[in-house]
Amino acid sequence: GAGVSQSPRYKVAKRGQDVALRCDPISGHVSLFWYQQALGQGPEFLTYFQNEAQLDKSGLPSDRFFAERPEGSVSTLKIQRTQQEDSAVYLCASSPRTGLEGYTFGSGTRLTVV
Amino acid sequence: EDKVVQSPLSLVVHEGDTVTLNCSYEVTNFRSLLWYKQEKKAPTFLFMLTSSGIEKKSGRLSSILDKKELFSILNITATQTGDSAIYLCAPRFQGAQKLVFGQGTRLTINP
Repeated sequence: GAGVSQSPRYKVAKRGQDVALRCDPISGHVSLFWYQQALGQGPEFLTYFQNEAQLDKSGLPSDRFFAERPEGSVSTLKIQRTQQEDSAVYLCASSPRTGLEGYTFGSGTRLTVV
Repeated sequence: EDKVVQSPLSLVVHEGDTVTLNCSYEVTNFRSLLWYKQEKKAPTFLFMLTSSGIEKKSGRLSSILDKKELFSILNITATQTGDSAIYLCAPRFQGAQKLVFGQGTRLTINP
């Protein structure tokens, strides 16, 4: 596609509910990243994929967070047993190669846990 | 621990003014620094800087990096209301793909 597409745009979850956020990167992009952006803060790194391999998951805040990219294209970020502190915008970004240029970000999913 | 500080956090100016946004960083094994503009949700890429002292320019925007003093500045001349946004800087270090973002500078341009 023309850009990085994320869905849903907005998600309201009850505390304790599981959620799944989807990212469609630009076709052919090797690298894919997930970031979490709390209100008034800059994005914080969650995890990084090179094709289907998850090479860095150091930013995932707890074992409730899980990401996958099984075929090296679409990625899903799953949050189990959501907590209020998980409320944030989740941004996905992709780039054609590894670390040689800026990423293209999607518009994000705003998650609100009530 | 890697640290990125942007200043000011918020800036309000009139259309036509020139602004300078600052980004200082403490990042081990620095590789490059990126600037992004965030208007609604998706940050959009502005510049990537890898070498000290070489200005990158795009229209009314320009940016420069000082690797010795560990900072970068983003200049916007003849500001327009469409420049209103949050400006984020993000260093990247060797051996890692992730960006470490600062808190951002919220710039508001009043007509």
